[in-house]
This record gives sequence, C-alpha cells and structure tokens, in this order.
Amino acid sequence: GAGVSQSPRYKVAKRGQDVALRCDPISGHVSLFWYQQALGQGPEFLTYFQNEAQLDKSGLPSDRFFAERPEGSVSTLKIQRTQQEDSAVYLCASSLAIGETQYFGPGTRLLVL
Amino acid sequence: RKEVEQDPGPFNVPEGATVAFNCTYSNSASQSFFWYRQDCRKEPKLLMSVYSSGNEDGRFTAQLNRASQYISLLIRDSKLSDSATYLCVVNMGGGGADGLTFGKGTHLIIQP
Repeated sequence: GAGVSQSPRYKVAKRGQDVALRCDPISGHVSLFWYQQALGQGPEFLTYFQNEAQLDKSGLPSDRFFAERPEGSVSTLKIQRTQQEDSAVYLCASSLAIGETQYFGPGTRLLVL
Repeated sequence: RKEVEQDPGPFNVPEGATVAFNCTYSNSASQSFFWYRQDCRKEPKLLMSVYSSGNEDGRFTAQLNRASQYISLLIRDSKLSDSATYLCVVNMGGGGADGLTFGKGTHLIIQP
C-alpha cells in the first residue's frame, strides 16, 4: 500500500523566503510527526499531531516554524523567513495510534542560500 | 548531555563477521526502544523493537539493560547489504508526547 509521501522532495530557498512542506500520511493513521535531520545527525523531534490536534510542539526551534493538520490527514510544516541554519531534511512520520510503529516519508531536503 | 548517545563509527567490518553496537540513554522513564536503519539519503526504517527480555530477528539480536540504561544491537554473519547507519531510538512516552528521540547513528561499512 501507499506509504507516507512528502512534497516537494527538494526545495531551495533564498534566506528570508517562506516555505511550506507537505506531508501525506498513511491513510487512517491518527498520529503524525515532524522531524528535522541535519547533516550527520539523527532526526530531531519537532512536533506531533493526533488527528487535527497538535499535542506537542516543544521541538519547534523558533516561532518561525508552524505546523498544521486542519482535517486530521495532510499536514503542512511552514517555515517563515528562512535562515541558513534551517537547511536540513524534514521528515514526516505517521503511526496508526499512540505507541505504534512510526513510518517515515522520504523527507524534504531544504537548502537555504 | 545528549539524551541518546551512540558511537558514530564508522565501523569497518569484513563480510561474515559479527558486529555489535551499544547505545546509552539518559531518561530512566523511557518507555520503549528501537533500532532504526537509515541508508544514505533515505528515510529511517524500523529494524526492530527492543524488549527487556531481549529479542532476535534472524541475524539481528537486540538487548535492553534498564538498570544501566543501555541498548545493544548484534549483527551476525554480516552481509554487504547491512552497510547503513543504525539509529538507536527511544520513546520517552507519557503526557501525550509520542515523539521519538534519536541518537546520531552508528555508521557501518561491510567490506567484501
């Protein structure tokens, strides 16, 4: 069946631009997660949704980062006024329910120039 | 101090050898533990969950030591296709939080 999909796969932005990254979770998966993976590092937790409710956003690095999942399915991670340090791979994962296995999408590779 | 620590390697191992990785975690309240595998420029994929009693899946064996707060992964009869980065992962759990905490990963290179 279809896994988690993310778009775009690659994004180049000029410093100061706003970007929006999309995640389509596996159909029926209640939980959705965003992670940021810098080069040579493991993924770092950003935020978590259960259906449309954002239950944890403690990992968002600044108020320039905003995530939503208005209908409890597709999610968008928005980064305003991008900075060079935002360059990373942004991974989305979904799971059937709390505590279940998380399945990752292929990621969006963001490069801020 | 990082919450999940592992030796980044690289571990260069001849094909057919046995290799073991360890990882330590700092939060004693952590509830579940995993090893994920990540190939170059790909997403992490679950390799196996780690249970207190230890568990085995083919050539792979995972162990958890709660008292010492470390997790291990043993790979027997290593194959070229085992070359990847192995991520130690902990779920702190509780309070509505279900995010995973990853180590930096251990880079394994299996040599012919």
